[in-house]
Amino acid sequence: GAVVSQHPSRVICKSGTSVKIECRSLDFQATTMFWYRQFPKKSLMLMATSNEGSKATYEQGVEKDKFLINHASLTLSTLTVTSAHPEDSSFYICSASSGPDTQYFGPGTRLTVL
Amino acid sequence: GENVEQHPSTLSVQEGDSAVIKCTYSDSASNYFPWYKQELGKRPQLIIDIRSNVGEKKDQRIAVTLNKTAKHFSLHITETQPEDSAVYFCAATISGYSTLTFGKGTMLLVSP
Repeated sequence: GAVVSQHPSRVICKSGTSVKIECRSLDFQATTMFWYRQFPKKSLMLMATSNEGSKATYEQGVEKDKFLINHASLTLSTLTVTSAHPEDSSFYICSASSGPDTQYFGPGTRLTVL
Repeated sequence: GENVEQHPSTLSVQEGDSAVIKCTYSDSASNYFPWYKQELGKRPQLIIDIRSNVGEKKDQRIAVTLNKTAKHFSLHITETQPEDSAVYFCAATISGYSTLTFGKGTMLLVSP
């Protein structure tokens, strides 16, 4: 139980294009989903928290117009990196929570912007 | 806000030895402390957690201890195996608040 999927697992795009990453909870309803960014050999940096049907809460320093988050249902959240640039290249990981405390992580998406 | 410090950043042990990773937190209101294991290129996976109403929790070869007074908690792995090699993250939060604050991670290398 508590499986979270992410798609795509890997994406390469040209600078200036937008990329959408999907995060799904497969066997539970996620009241809250989280988006993290992880640099090589670094910790997980929380970007934003999203609750189904409401606007995401962004962490300080994260541009909400750059990283668009939609949490349209209890099993799906999407992160769109708009007008991507090479500095946006990173490993993006989502997590989902069905209740307090426990977070289940997706497998991550490796984004490379050329 | 919460701040979690984790040490060491890298830990190398021989197979069969024990490994200990330590974390401290700043917010005395935090009462839930999970530990995640992340293998290279893979997702973080919850391996054990502890709440502030207990001082120790054990699951086979892994255990976690919590000292609320000192605001620190530790992960103990006994009889380490090469497959224990990974990055381990501690985290802290106030139960029900959802947002986890992570430590910077410890890369554990277990040599055969």
